[in-house]
Amino acid sequence: AQSVTQPDIHITVSEGASLELRCNYSYGATPYLFWYVQSPGQGLQLLLKYFSGDTLVQGIKGFEAEFKRSQSSFNLRKPSVHWSDAAEYFCAVGARSSASKIIFGSGTRLSIRP
Amino acid sequence: DVKVTQSSRYLVKRTGEKVFLECVQDMDHENMFWYRQDPGLGLRLIYFSYDVKMKEKGDIPEGYSVSREKKERFSLILESASTNQTSMYLCASSQRQPNQPQHFGDGTRLSIL
Repeated sequence: AQSVTQPDIHITVSEGASLELRCNYSYGATPYLFWYVQSPGQGLQLLLKYFSGDTLVQGIKGFEAEFKRSQSSFNLRKPSVHWSDAAEYFCAVGARSSASKIIFGSGTRLSIRP
Repeated sequence: DVKVTQSSRYLVKRTGEKVFLECVQDMDHENMFWYRQDPGLGLRLIYFSYDVKMKEKGDIPEGYSVSREKKERFSLILESASTNQTSMYLCASSQRQPNQPQHFGDGTRLSIL
């Protein structure tokens, strides 16, 4: 069965600094991978997704993520964060054989220091 | 743009009540999902449905049931609400293909007193 680990519960970075949020997955084949963002009081919004092909994927709001099969990782990055990026971020993995079921990590809360 | 609408943002009910949470999507998606979200636990799947009148249990179905009489509507039912069901409930929908992302509603924060 697939699983997702987000090792960082809470991260604080300064505005303008670079950001990397970690995500490790467990799955026997190449999974589908997603990053979602949840602003306070809102539902989840898709940032980006990886299905196949280029291992560096670009998403909305200036985010990117890199799929590294050898490390079973799909880390999210942004070169310069803005105060509006403060939110909770969820990594998720889907199995290619499933009926669109995906498994979510426990989330990383991002705070921005002025 | 995909719109998933949950009928209530906040709901307060009493222990033992039967509670209905409603979700409607406007994109003709085949799949619909109910999750609960608790701090430190992420999202946990309660039930999902891949077609009208079809449903499958997720990871934590105990104490819940669902109804999907029409393609656009997916209801979550708490048969006899208990305080440990106080949580944020999120509805999502997606197309049938396995690689399609899920689209979420804004959530219902349910408190059981």
